[in-house]
Amino acid sequence: DIQMTQSPSSLSASVGDRVTITCRASQSISTYLNWYQQKPGKAPTLLIYAASTLQSGVPSRFSGSGSVTAFTLTISSVQPEDFATYYCQQSQSTPLYTFGQGTKLEIK
Amino acid sequence: QPQLQESGPGRVKPSETLSLTCTVSGGSLNRNNYFWGWIRQPPGKGLEWIGSISYSGSTFYSPSLESRVTISEDTSKNQFSLKVRSVTAADTAVYYCVRIRIIPIRGVGDHVDYWGQGTLVTVSS
Repeated sequence: DIQMTQSPSSLSASVGDRVTITCRASQSISTYLNWYQQKPGKAPTLLIYAASTLQSGVPSRFSGSGSVTAFTLTISSVQPEDFATYYCQQSQSTPLYTFGQGTKLEIK
Repeated sequence: QPQLQESGPGRVKPSETLSLTCTVSGGSLNRNNYFWGWIRQPPGKGLEWIGSISYSGSTFYSPSLESRVTISEDTSKNQFSLKVRSVTAADTAVYYCVRIRIIPIRGVGDHVDYWGQGTLVTVSS
């Protein structure tokens, strides 16, 4: 099984800060990496797929990069509505997928 | 744009079978390049992949749950279902039904593009 590890597990930021979340795969997954955002009590929503492709409708302050085993999700200027939990997900082993454990972004 | 809605009992007794149905509106289960699946989230924890069913009816399950899980479809009703047998308290979770977009392009891969609202299932006597 491909294991996905996110860091940090949680972080605090102020509105306007630049934030970076890291996701590492236990083996090479090329660019088969997706990012989701989940707000409390809601289903997750897709932010980025194929490591760096922004889903339609997602603000451009979100960006993704990386390949092979190391990936990052960056929010260039955090907005109040961005405080949420973020998950990475690999699709290399399609159609069996695994998620990272999540990173909770909190207001400082 | 499809809408997905989970339905089923909110409480199941230990050792019994959890059964959920997902009704899809605004999209056909038989549409090429889309699978349909289930993901769960225990209270306060992360997301766990359960399994999926393809547009041709093939099923795929997480190895950790494969022995207890069945996913099936009823294309006449545009529904797909999940059964988890021999449940324990560890199966208590919010269960989401999802649509998976399959992109057979090198380096792109699959992703979940639509989610149901989720339904909490509690395993308790």
